Amino acid sequence: DVKVTQSSRYLVKRTGEKVFLECVQDMDHENMFWYRQDPGLGLRLIYFSYDVKMKEKGDIPEGYSVSREKKERFSLILESASTNQTSMYLCASSPGALNTEAFFGQGTRLTVV
Amino acid sequence: ILNVEQSPQSLHVQEGDSTNFTCSFPSSNFYALHWYRWETAKSPEALFVMTLNGDEKKKGRISATLNTKEGYSYLYIKGSQPEDSATYLCAYNAGNNRKLIWGLGTSLAVNP
Repeated sequence: DVKVTQSSRYLVKRTGEKVFLECVQDMDHENMFWYRQDPGLGLRLIYFSYDVKMKEKGDIPEGYSVSREKKERFSLILESASTNQTSMYLCASSPGALNTEAFFGQGTRLTVV
Repeated sequence: ILNVEQSPQSLHVQEGDSTNFTCSFPSSNFYALHWYRWETAKSPEALFVMTLNGDEKKKGRISATLNTKEGYSYLYIKGSQPEDSATYLCAYNAGNNRKLIWGLGTSLAVNP
């Protein structure tokens, strides 16, 4: 059974904290993605990676960075959390081919207070 | 800016009704069209990935069609059941681009 696992289901952090969201996949996928989902705005791509140590900005990268030191792990970092980063964060992975489905983690509901 | 539009935004049907929704996407530079189902408190799950114009795919009571020349895809659910209640998302993949462009989804509620 394929699996994408996000480290936390719910997280509450204070403004200004550095926040790490971890995502691990066990399918040997090349591609990994971080999205945020907000009401009325749909899924928006923050960053993605198509190989170890490779990263590309998505549509809303400001305030975020990522790390992919190993193929199975893709971390999203909020350098200094702000209240407007309160959101649902979803990690996904997919094989290298463009026409294959993406597999999603269960999501992390982050609240920044 | 590439745009993927889904309609309707939400839908309420009775158990046993058949229903369908639309996904519109840019017809130029098309590579693939994805459909996902996202149930509350769960992860989005892929239903179909479609690449060929005129393609039709089926999974149980759910089927989808694809028209890449005019830039639309239909998702059909035959004999809706309460467990079909979910948000249905489509996503478009342009050529040589690993990113998916997502629609806002159609929220389906099936009343028993």
